[in-house]
Amino acid sequence: DSGVTQTPKHLITATGQRVTLRCSPRSGDLSVYWYQQSLDQGLQFLIQYYNGEERAKGNILERFSAQQFPDLHSELNLSSLELGDSALYFCASSVERDNSPLHFGNGTRLTVT
Amino acid sequence: GQQLNQSPQSMFIQEGEDVSMNCTSSSIFNTWLWYKQDPGEGPVLLIALYKAGELTSNGRLTAQFGITRKDSFLNISASIPSDVGIYFCAGSDSWGKLQFGAGTQVVVTP
Repeated sequence: DSGVTQTPKHLITATGQRVTLRCSPRSGDLSVYWYQQSLDQGLQFLIQYYNGEERAKGNILERFSAQQFPDLHSELNLSSLELGDSALYFCASSVERDNSPLHFGNGTRLTVT
Repeated sequence: GQQLNQSPQSMFIQEGEDVSMNCTSSSIFNTWLWYKQDPGEGPVLLIALYKAGELTSNGRLTAQFGITRKDSFLNISASIPSDVGIYFCAGSDSWGKLQFGAGTQVVVTP
């Protein structure tokens, strides 16, 4: 168990809808990262937060947004969903802002129908 | 921009064989990390490397941080069925930006 908790585990929704994925980092970790993994694909970095502030942005679509709250949990909001958004979404956390190992949750599997 | 190349893309091995995979970067990294992902689960950290030349073991796994700081390898000795999965390398540059390789799919046959 990595200590990173993601909910829900599975999510099935229709195109055009909006969903929110939630992540609780490991106790003591200040950085939260979001990754997308499509079928048979690698890990695509979406966004990183450090202690409530956006730290780095990757290939995140404008339809997607995220935030990190004062208690350090994070939410990833996906709106106007398309079939191609179906993927595994992983949250990871680390102690420091940079250069410390990431610890991953078990992901949320999103299916858009 | 920097590129991280992981090879091989996949490998089919027999139980008991040794496995080797590597990652190379177009630029210098300060940290190399190796992860394993089982189906339907999140990647799990196997080994973290912080210094050029560093050689670190974790059970049957051994990883090294290349002297040039542009490469790393992971070896698995005497593979067993539970070694099946996808292995990812990740490197962090001087700006702290972490980049993942595309992964190596390992299939172990009895």
